[in-house]
Amino acid sequence: GQQLNQSPQSMFIQEGEDVSMNCTSSSIFNTWLWYKQDPGEGPVLLIALYKAGELTSNGRLTAQFGITRKDSFLNISASIPSDVGIYFCAGTSMNYGGSQGNLIFGKGTKLSVKP
Amino acid sequence: ETGVTQSPTHLIKTRGQQVTLRCSSQSGHNTVSWYQQALGQGPQFIFQYYREEENGRGNFPPRFSGLQFPNYSSELNVNALELDDSALYLCASSLPESPLHFGNGTRLTVT
Repeated sequence: GQQLNQSPQSMFIQEGEDVSMNCTSSSIFNTWLWYKQDPGEGPVLLIALYKAGELTSNGRLTAQFGITRKDSFLNISASIPSDVGIYFCAGTSMNYGGSQGNLIFGKGTKLSVKP
Repeated sequence: ETGVTQSPTHLIKTRGQQVTLRCSSQSGHNTVSWYQQALGQGPQFIFQYYREEENGRGNFPPRFSGLQFPNYSSELNVNALELDDSALYLCASSLPESPLHFGNGTRLTVT
């Protein structure tokens, strides 16, 4: 079945640093999504991508849908303490306009603050 | 606008028992999906409901079943609970052309 490889598994950030994480798929996706999950809460949607090559920003967050349709990355610029949490990529082979209920999720990237 | 709400927030059951988890979708959302999230893992798709019918299912056995009601709320039922069923169960609602919006989940512990 489809699998998502998300990296890095974890990383430490210092306030003000830029952060980058990515996701690769074993098969083509037509939709990529990035979610953030805080402890005790459900995932919250950050960015949705629907076209190969698309680059979309949401404040300090920028995500891109890879041209091969098998990868996506998320960048966070000038990180702040509230960026700490677990970031998940998710994808589906459904096109925009189709059901997006069946999402394949990565295992997450855990962002922590450098001691 | 009310988001996705799930109940209960926590639940402890014994192996072999049955459990029902509940979800109220976000206002106006007519599609509900259920996910299982084991500790340290990403969510895994269980099934989706649209217009009160199952509209897609992941790799979960038949003892995982669900319902959607006319008001779009939903239930997840799990029979013959196993220790590996211990997880966070997430409900998400959406419109057919929109990304999922998740609730905060029900933490199920099977002992």
